[in-house]
Amino acid sequence: DTEVTQTPKHLVMGMTNKKSLKCEQHMGHRAMYWYKQKAKKPPELMFVYSYEKLSINESVPSRFSPECPNSSLLNLHLHALQPEDSALYLCASSQLLAYEQFFGPGTRLTVL
Amino acid sequence: EDQVTQSPEALRLQEGESSSLNCSYTVSGLRGLFWYRQDPGKGPEFLFTLYSAGEEKEKERLKATLTKKESFLHITAPKPEDSATYLCAVQALQGAQKLVFGQGTRLTINP
Repeated sequence: DTEVTQTPKHLVMGMTNKKSLKCEQHMGHRAMYWYKQKAKKPPELMFVYSYEKLSINESVPSRFSPECPNSSLLNLHLHALQPEDSALYLCASSQLLAYEQFFGPGTRLTVL
Repeated sequence: EDQVTQSPEALRLQEGESSSLNCSYTVSGLRGLFWYRQDPGKGPEFLFTLYSAGEEKEKERLKATLTKKESFLHITAPKPEDSATYLCAVQALQGAQKLVFGQGTRLTINP
């Protein structure tokens, strides 16, 4: 299995909702990433996990809360988001931190 | 500060018309340069990793090359299905080893 999967594909939420994005990989990769991508812009790094420990937090607002329950799973918990948080959220994984990253298909998030 | 600049921003070609995309970079010691392809609304698809000047890699109609200051993605006899945004990213030897992305080149191949 050489895929990174993400659920859901689309998510619409209000500013008071709590929701979670999920990411899964079965390639034995030990580094996992969350990115945010706005239209016609490159992906913007949010969080990096290495061996299930948070390695990088790019000064992301606390309304985004990452979680890495095990080496195959990565969650992004969302709470009290703003309309400007609407974007494509991408998960990626790599064998280790310095290796090429493989991206999932993304979750299209719309905050009303 | 590590930086990546891609040119052109957008490129329209006729089917079969070969061309090249440019990725210029400044980085404090290059660990690797990565090329990705991204279709609208989807995640980037990994294409190539280049590690040192002079290195070349090929995949179907695509060929990536690397010098000390830039990388080229050559597209030979493109087809409409090659239409996508091509992203270049660099990773430094030192520091957090994050990917630094360029803004991308939007490539359109007309039949």
